[in-house]
Amino acid sequence: KNEVEQSPQNLTAQEGEFITINCSYSVGISALHWLQQHPGGGIVSLFMLSSGKKKHGRLIATINIQEKHSSLHITASHPRDSAVYICAASGGGADGLTFGKGTHLIIQP
Amino acid sequence: NAGVMQNPRHLVRRRGQEARLRCSPMKGHSHVYWYRQLPEEGLKFMVYLQKENIIDESGMPKERFSAEFPKEGPSILRIQQVVRGDSAAYFCASSLRTGRDEKLFFGSGTQLSVL
Repeated sequence: KNEVEQSPQNLTAQEGEFITINCSYSVGISALHWLQQHPGGGIVSLFMLSSGKKKHGRLIATINIQEKHSSLHITASHPRDSAVYICAASGGGADGLTFGKGTHLIIQP
Repeated sequence: NAGVMQNPRHLVRRRGQEARLRCSPMKGHSHVYWYRQLPEEGLKFMVYLQKENIIDESGMPKERFSAEFPKEGPSILRIQQVVRGDSAAYFCASSLRTGRDEKLFFGSGTQLSVL
């Protein structure tokens, strides 16, 4: 069974700061997902990656398969980035994800 | 192109009643996943379905819970004889295909409250 650990659990930063959220998993995976959950509960899939790096706007996700580690970066952070960020590991096939507990991010103006 | 639609958004049930949660996947998606998020806990996988088939239900409690994804209509997560511990947010997600490159699209969730 895969164990997915995220750090930090909570993060408060000032607007404009560079943000890094980390995710480690214990068992080899086929894909790593980064999700964003806003207050009110809706979940948005930000990235799905199995190697290397992906970028979308101010968001960057990287993964190191050998080290079983992924990071989510936010450049020029903004208060609207305040949300819970969740990483999830996918095993062979898409038969269910193992989720981290999430990182609660607050960006203060 | 509507996203994943879940209803109801909020559902209140008394102990012992039945809860039915519906999920309409994105158009063209034939793979549906259900997840549960308990208060102060992370999301937990419950069940993975394709049209008319349950592929993996390893995360679903053996009793009182069932899921289906019929040929026509939405996927249904059914909880019989609800108890207070069933209170949680239930999310479904859909994908076009299975496999390592498939992105999941999530619904807005159903918040179940058991009185």
